[in-house]
Amino acid sequence: GQNIDQPTEMTATEGAIVQINCTYQTSGFNGLFWYQQHAGEAPTFLSYNVLDGLEEKGRFSSFLSRSKGYSYLLLKELQMKDSASYLCAVRVSGTYKYIFGTGTRLKVLA
Amino acid sequence: GAVVSQHPSRVICKSGTSVKIECRSLDFQATTMFWYRQFPKQSLMLMATSNEGSKATYEQGVEKDKFLINHASLTLSTLTVTSAHPEDSSFYICSAPDGQSYGYTFGSGTRLTVV
Repeated sequence: GQNIDQPTEMTATEGAIVQINCTYQTSGFNGLFWYQQHAGEAPTFLSYNVLDGLEEKGRFSSFLSRSKGYSYLLLKELQMKDSASYLCAVRVSGTYKYIFGTGTRLKVLA
Repeated sequence: GAVVSQHPSRVICKSGTSVKIECRSLDFQATTMFWYRQFPKQSLMLMATSNEGSKATYEQGVEKDKFLINHASLTLSTLTVTSAHPEDSSFYICSAPDGQSYGYTFGSGTRLTVV
């Protein structure tokens, strides 16, 4: 079966660093994606990993270990506007389909 | 960048009526469109995959006669919720691979409320 797990909620302080973990067990793997979604809005693409290692894009970094079925999204220098849900998604090999994780609601406090 | 225009953004309908949701790719050809449903504080659940010129593929547990999907052109895919009931109230959102980035482009979503 397909299973993607993330913590349900996290809280962090403005200016801090937060790491959101994602573990997955899927039948086939063709990339792991992170999306940000503000309440009532569409998800926006943040990052993509298909090989093991760290991908850095400004304040956001994402890490992947395929052997462990594990990824994390690292957010640095947190801002209030980073309060949102963060969705981990695995693209199933042989298709364009995403399987989304449960999502992590991040609250950034002043 | 690539844009998927989704309409309407909000709709309230009476129980038993049908509602059509449209997703248009504005500056690229969407041969594939994914339709998701999202309940409050939950993640996106894939309902079906539409492909231009062929029948949609539905995920397990999704009633194809209730959620009619049409993908008649390379820029338009529609989802019709037939005989809507209050339990169909949800956030419906479409997305498509745009060929320009690794991630997919999402529509802005439709908040459906059935009363």
